[in-house]
Amino acid sequence: DAGVTQSPTHLIKTRGQQVTLRCSPKSGHDTVSWYQQALGQGPQFIFQYYEEEERQRGNFPDRFSGHQFPNYSSELNVNALLLGDSALYLCASSLGSRGGQPQHFGDGTRLSIL
Amino acid sequence: KNQVEQSPQSLIILEGKNCTLQCNYTVSPFSNLRWYKQDTGRGPVSLTIMTFSENTKSNGRYTATLDADTKQSSLHITASQLSDSASYICVVRGQTGANNLFFGTGTRLTVIP
Repeated sequence: DAGVTQSPTHLIKTRGQQVTLRCSPKSGHDTVSWYQQALGQGPQFIFQYYEEEERQRGNFPDRFSGHQFPNYSSELNVNALLLGDSALYLCASSLGSRGGQPQHFGDGTRLSIL
Repeated sequence: KNQVEQSPQSLIILEGKNCTLQCNYTVSPFSNLRWYKQDTGRGPVSLTIMTFSENTKSNGRYTATLDADTKQSSLHITASQLSDSASYICVVRGQTGANNLFFGTGTRLTVIP
């Protein structure tokens, strides 16, 4: 039973570029949440997808967008990358969108902006 | 102001010693509190979860306590091992909304031989 898988594991981009990160949820899960974790900090909520729609959003600009596919997998897109976007991006999956279910995290994508 | 505060920010202990990490929160209403272990370069992994009616929960050498009246939780690690070196994150779930998870900034634990 595969857990949450994310790809790629590491990525290096330059300022102004665009990036797409991918997440496959744990088997049986239908909800995907994305988090940004700066070095030495706790994860910050970006947004949550359920039934292919963005259900909740944290305090992130429109440069951050996402998508959920019919198979529940998800993508996080970031446009016009800034140096401050360098972080570990975590995906977490759960069953249902009401927040009562435990979240299982992937190992993240380490994004470095030069 | 962060609704979940953890202390200490970092901690170094000798292998075999015990330690206690603290988590204070202001999230209300409260649904549950979870402690995660996050190894360097990995995603967080759940250690324990407690609702407001539970005072203590153990998982091997990890024991979490919760005082819902004072809104405080602790994670006690017994007979530490080198593999316990990680960040320990306290996460509190509120009762409403999908974006109802509040993360602490973590305690960085280093166990030295």
